[in-house]
Amino acid sequence: GENVEQHPSTLSVQEGDSAVIKCTYSDSASNYFPWYKQELGKRPQLIIDIRSNVGEKKDQRIAVTLNKTAKHFSLHITETQPEDSAVYFCAASKRDDKIIFGKGTRLHILP
Amino acid sequence: GAGVSQSPSNKVTEKGKDVELRCDPISGHTALYWYRQSLGQGLEFLIYFQGNSAPDKSGLPSDRFSAERTGGSVSTLTIQRTQQEDSAVYLCASSENRGRETQYFGPGTRLLVL
Repeated sequence: GENVEQHPSTLSVQEGDSAVIKCTYSDSASNYFPWYKQELGKRPQLIIDIRSNVGEKKDQRIAVTLNKTAKHFSLHITETQPEDSAVYFCAASKRDDKIIFGKGTRLHILP
Repeated sequence: GAGVSQSPSNKVTEKGKDVELRCDPISGHTALYWYRQSLGQGLEFLIYFQGNSAPDKSGLPSDRFSAERTGGSVSTLTIQRTQQEDSAVYLCASSENRGRETQYFGPGTRLLVL
């Protein structure tokens, strides 16, 4: 079955700098890659997703890139702000199958 | 519209007791997922439903765990003879269909087994 690896497990960046979180997946049939953000004590919420027919997607300060050949995808957050502090989960799925989550990255934005 | 709801929000029980956790998905969502999240940890997949059937129960930790879904809507996760290691937040999520769809999470049930 699908296996999603995520790193780093913890990331600290200065406010205003960029943060990058990377994930790899094992099943070449996976074609949907969402990213979820979980703030402390709250439920995970989708922040951005990408499907396998595109290589990059951007939404304001957040972007996701996908390399299907290498089977890896990344989340990029630019101009980080205190409210970006949270746990971020990547995930992968294929049609008509469950979503598999990575183990999460705890992002700390330092003042 | 209403989001995913779960009840109870908190549950404290004694070791050996049975507990039932409830999830009300978004109306019309055919896929429903249960996850377990221990303190500071990731999302551990337990089971998912497509309609009332559960094509994948591979994540259930032991035969003490079971789940059902009726009417393609409400789902109940039952843990029998609870153990201290069952203490965690149990999250439910629903999506319009399985795979390739946004999952909407409920607020979770925080279970503490004493």
